[in-house]
Amino acid sequence: KAGVTQTPRYLIKTRGQQVTLSCSPISGHRSVSWYQQTPGQGLQFLFEYFSETQRNKGNFPGRFSGRQFSNSRSEMNVSTLELGDSALYLCASSLVGSDEQFFGPGTRLTVL
Amino acid sequence: GESVGLHLPTLSVQEGDNSIINCAYSNSASDYFIWYKQESGKGPQFIIDIRSNMDKRQGQRVTVLLNKTVKHLSLQIAATQPGDSAVYFCAENKADNFNKFYFGSGTKLNVKP
Repeated sequence: KAGVTQTPRYLIKTRGQQVTLSCSPISGHRSVSWYQQTPGQGLQFLFEYFSETQRNKGNFPGRFSGRQFSNSRSEMNVSTLELGDSALYLCASSLVGSDEQFFGPGTRLTVL
Repeated sequence: GESVGLHLPTLSVQEGDNSIINCAYSNSASDYFIWYKQESGKGPQFIIDIRSNMDKRQGQRVTVLLNKTVKHLSLQIAATQPGDSAVYFCAENKADNFNKFYFGSGTKLNVKP
């Protein structure tokens, strides 16, 4: 069974631009969570989607948004990029009723 | 809010020795805890979990201990191997929070040959 895949793996943007990251969960997994990982703040929860609905949200500004499609694939969008948005963005999927999350390799975003 | 932290940012051990990685959490309402391992260039990988109704849980070469009185979590790795070199995170959650996990800052484990 294929693991969680994230695209692109690396991305370079400039301040003020916007970016969309994609996550394909493990087949059969309907919950998708997004995390931001930085050296200074560590792993921080962004949001979680289940059945195309945002079920949980972390403490990030409204510039960070996401969505989930009917096939459980998820995207997250960051608008008006700031230098501090440079991070590894991780996606994790899980089965209904399971606490175990399976992480993808992440998308490394660099904002110049 | 919840906070999960680690006592030591870096831990160096000799190959074959046992490793102990510690984690403190502040939210006494948390009832589910996970230890993750993250190797360079990869996402976190599940190692072992424990629920708040347990004090100890064992896996293959790993043991997690939970002390709810002092809100402390530890991960013990027996006979540490070079392949165990990675950053280890503890994460906490509450039953009604679905998959909203709070992660610690991580401990880097270096295994010396």
